Amino acid sequence: AQTVTQSQPEMSVQEAETVTLSCTYDTSESDYYLFWYKQPPSRQMILVIRQEAYKQQNATENRFSVNFQKAAKSFSLKISDSQLGDAAMYFCAYAAGANSKLTFGKGITLSVRP
Amino acid sequence: DVKVTQSSRYLVKRTGEKVFLECVQDMDHENMFWYRQDPGLGLRLIYFSYDVKMKEKGDIPEGYSVSREKKERFSLILESASTNQTSMYLCASSHHRDPEQFFGPGTRLTVL
Repeated sequence: AQTVTQSQPEMSVQEAETVTLSCTYDTSESDYYLFWYKQPPSRQMILVIRQEAYKQQNATENRFSVNFQKAAKSFSLKISDSQLGDAAMYFCAYAAGANSKLTFGKGITLSVRP
Repeated sequence: DVKVTQSSRYLVKRTGEKVFLECVQDMDHENMFWYRQDPGLGLRLIYFSYDVKMKEKGDIPEGYSVSREKKERFSLILESASTNQTSMYLCASSHHRDPEQFFGPGTRLTVL
């Protein structure tokens, strides 16, 4: 069974600094999908960024980028120029295929210091 | 703008009551999911559905059932609510050709 591990339950970053959130996963598949979701306090879960495993180029969305290391089964999220609105719980998720359910990590709570 | 809605943001019920949580999506998605979210445990899948009238058990189906009579609506049923079912419940949907899930705002259920 696939597993997703987020080993750090909490992290803190100074406003305007850069922070990296770690995620590792276990799979025997060669083609799959990876996601980072953000859940602000008392607000809806939204997608931050996604990566298809067949793509070698790391995905980027504005201040958010990933470091996808397929051989190491690692999928970290980098947030540049951190803002107060980035404070949230972040979940890493894995899907084995296009019509697959998601397997989530336990999440990490990110706080941003002004 | 895609949307998943849940019938209540907050719900308080008594032990033994039958509880219905409703989820509606307007994206014509085939797949729908129910999760519960508890501190330190992340999201745990309760049930999911790949099509109307179809359902499959997730990781923690005990104490729950579901109903999907229409494509856009997926209901979670607690037949006899217990205090250990106090939790945040999240509904999500996805297209059958893309695993990205879209989430509702969640229902915080308290069972007294």
